[in-house]
Amino acid sequence: NAGVTQTPKFQVLKTGQSMTLQCAQDMNHEYMSWYRQDPGMGLRLIHYSVGAGITDQGEVPNGYNVSRSTTEDFPLRLLSAAPSQTSVYFCASSRDRLYQETQYFGPGTRLLVL
Amino acid sequence: AQKVTQAQTEISVVEKEDVTLDCVYETRDTTYYLFWYKQPPSGELVFLIRRNSFDEQNEISGRYSWNFQKSTSSFNFTITASQVVDSAVYFCALRDNNDMRFGAGTRLTVKP
Repeated sequence: NAGVTQTPKFQVLKTGQSMTLQCAQDMNHEYMSWYRQDPGMGLRLIHYSVGAGITDQGEVPNGYNVSRSTTEDFPLRLLSAAPSQTSVYFCASSRDRLYQETQYFGPGTRLLVL
Repeated sequence: AQKVTQAQTEISVVEKEDVTLDCVYETRDTTYYLFWYKQPPSGELVFLIRRNSFDEQNEISGRYSWNFQKSTSSFNFTITASQVVDSAVYFCALRDNNDMRFGAGTRLTVKP
């Protein structure tokens, strides 16, 4: 299994540009999520999905959209990038949303918005 | 409210010293899970341990040990005889009915 994969690894955007961060998992996990990591703030939940066709907002959803058309894929869209969205983005998955399920993380995407 | 506090922002030790990373959490739920993740300089997040709210037994895995105390809402992580390869940022996390919340992380530097 490849686990959780993310592309690209690094991206530079100009303010106002849009882009999609890709996330895929091959573990047949129902639960997938997106976090952003900023210095001194740990990881904060942006959006999550408990299964195909179901998404919901996390702690910091503004400026981001998600969709879940398949179990495997969970892309994160930035509609109009802002410098405040400069961060490292991690995608994670777990078998389901239950408390006991461990989330496994992708390698991250480092985004710089100029 | 759900909250995880890692009061130690940075810790520096010399190789072979023991070091404890503190984690204090807040939750209103009676059922929850606590996690530790390691983020080495390469940037990935590596799962270390999971502990449920009903199991207060301490756990040891090689040089790593975890002390869970519900009375003080703490889930501390100790590395015995630290090594340079232990240098990383360590995150404590809480997963309850309100999803998952991470602490701000503790950066551990182990000097040779």
